Amino acid sequence: DIVMTQSPDSLAVSLGERATINCKSSQSVLYNSNSKNYLTWYQQKPGQPPKLLIYWASTRESGVPDRFSGSGSGTDFTLTISSLQAEDVAVYYCQQYFSTPFTFGQGTKLEIK
Amino acid sequence: QVQLQESGPGLVKPSETLSLTCPVSGGSINNYYWSWIRQPPGKGLEWIGYIYYSGNTNYNPSLKSRVTISVDTSKNQFSLKLNSVTAADTAVYYCARHGGGGESLAWLDPWGQGTLVTVSS
Repeated sequence: DIVMTQSPDSLAVSLGERATINCKSSQSVLYNSNSKNYLTWYQQKPGQPPKLLIYWASTRESGVPDRFSGSGSGTDFTLTISSLQAEDVAVYYCQQYFSTPFTFGQGTKLEIK
Repeated sequence: QVQLQESGPGLVKPSETLSLTCPVSGGSINNYYWSWIRQPPGKGLEWIGYIYYSGNTNYNPSLKSRVTISVDTSKNQFSLKLNSVTAADTAVYYCARHGGGGESLAWLDPWGQGTLVTVSS
C-alpha cells in the first residue's frame, strides 16, 4: 500500500495569510508514461462529504477559488491557500489514485489564528 | 448533474451484515467506476472498494474477506455489503463516482452526503 503522510496535523493561520499543507507518499505517484501525478486534494467541513479541490496534483477543479493551488511531483506535494478566508476552515486530505488500495492522508485541520 | 445518496439501516448488530445502496440520479451509472469510502467518527477516510458498471470489482485488502460491492444497471444503483461487523465498523459510509471522464479510475467526485452506520447490540 502507498502510505500518505500529511503535515502538520493541525494548522492555525491568520485571516489573509498563507496556509501550506504538505503531503508525502511512501512511493512515487508519478506515472511516467503520461507525466501525471495521481494525487488529489479534498476539503471537508463538519457534517459534509469531502469536496474535490485539486486533481492531477495541480489542476484546480472548476468553481474552486484561485487562492487554492497544488504543487509537487513524485512523492512530495503541497496544497497552498494564498490568502486564508473564514470559509476555508476545514480538514484537508490528500489522496493517491496511482494504485489500489487508494489511500488518504490522515488529514490536516486548518483553523483561524 | 449527477447526485448520489446513500441509503440503508443506521443501526446494525454485531456479527450481522451491513447493507447500503447508492442510487445514482441525474446521470447514468454506465461507463464509470464507483467507490465506497468510510470515515469513523472523528477520524480519517478509508477506501473500501470500487465497482465498474460492468461488474468488475476491486476491494481494499484490509476488508476484502468481508466486502461485496454489486451493481444494478437497470436500477442505476450500486450497493455495499459488509459482513460480520463489529464496533470498529461504525462509521459514516460514503458512495462516490470516480472522475477523469468515463472509464477512468481517478479522483472521487461527486460524493454522496454520507450515512452513519452504528454497530451496536
